[in-house]
Amino acid sequence: DAGVIQSPRHEVTEMGQEVTLRCKPISGHNSLFWYRQTMMRGLELLIYFNNNVPIDDSGMPEDRFSAKMPNASFSTLKIQPSEPRDSAVYFCASSLGQGAYEQYFGPGTRLTVT
Amino acid sequence: GNSVTQMEGPVTLSEEAFLTINCTYTATGYPSLFWYVQYPGEGLQLLLKATKADDKGSNKGFEATYRKETTSFHLEKGSVQVSDSAVYFCALTSGNTPLVFGKGTRLSVIA
Repeated sequence: DAGVIQSPRHEVTEMGQEVTLRCKPISGHNSLFWYRQTMMRGLELLIYFNNNVPIDDSGMPEDRFSAKMPNASFSTLKIQPSEPRDSAVYFCASSLGQGAYEQYFGPGTRLTVT
Repeated sequence: GNSVTQMEGPVTLSEEAFLTINCTYTATGYPSLFWYVQYPGEGLQLLLKATKADDKGSNKGFEATYRKETTSFHLEKGSVQVSDSAVYFCALTSGNTPLVFGKGTRLSVIA
C-alpha cells in the first residue's frame, strides 16, 4: 500500500512567489496534519484536519499561510508570498483519527526560498 | 497544557553500547506516550507507544516504560547498531488533542 504522498519533494523559489505543497493521505485515514521542521524551531504543528474540516490552525505562522482539504484524498498548503524564513522541510501526516492513533508521515517537501 | 521534555543531543555512542534517552512529560488527564524515529532524509515513523501507566512499549530492541509516578517515558536499547543512527522524538497526546513532540535527540552510533 502507498504511504502518504507529498509533492514536490524539493522546491526552490524566489522571495515573493507563491508556493503550493501537496499531500495525498493514506486511504481511509480521517485525520491529516501539516508540520514544519527547522533546525531552529524543531517540529511544529501548523494545522490539522478531521474529516476534511480544519480543527486547529493556531500553528499557522501568518496569514501568508493557508491550507485546504477539498476531499478525503487531497490537501494543499499554500504560502503566498513566500519569504526566506519559510525555508524548511514541510511534512504531511495522516492517521485513522485524532488522539492516540499512529500518525504516518510523508517523506516531506524541502522548501528553499531565496 | 501538555508538554514533553527530552534530553538534548547529540548523543554519540559506540556500536553495542547501551542507550538511554530521557523523556519527561506534563499532561492533563491520562496521556498516551510515544517514541517516533526519523532516519536521515525521511519523515518520522512510530517506534513504540504505551497507552497507560506501567505499560511497556517495545520494538526493534528498543523499550520504554510508562512511569506515571515520575512522569517519564525513557527510551532504552541494550546494544545499539550503526543503523540506529537517527533523531528520536518523544511525544504525547491526551483525549483528542494532537501529538505534542519533544525537540528530538540526535543519536550517532559509530562502528
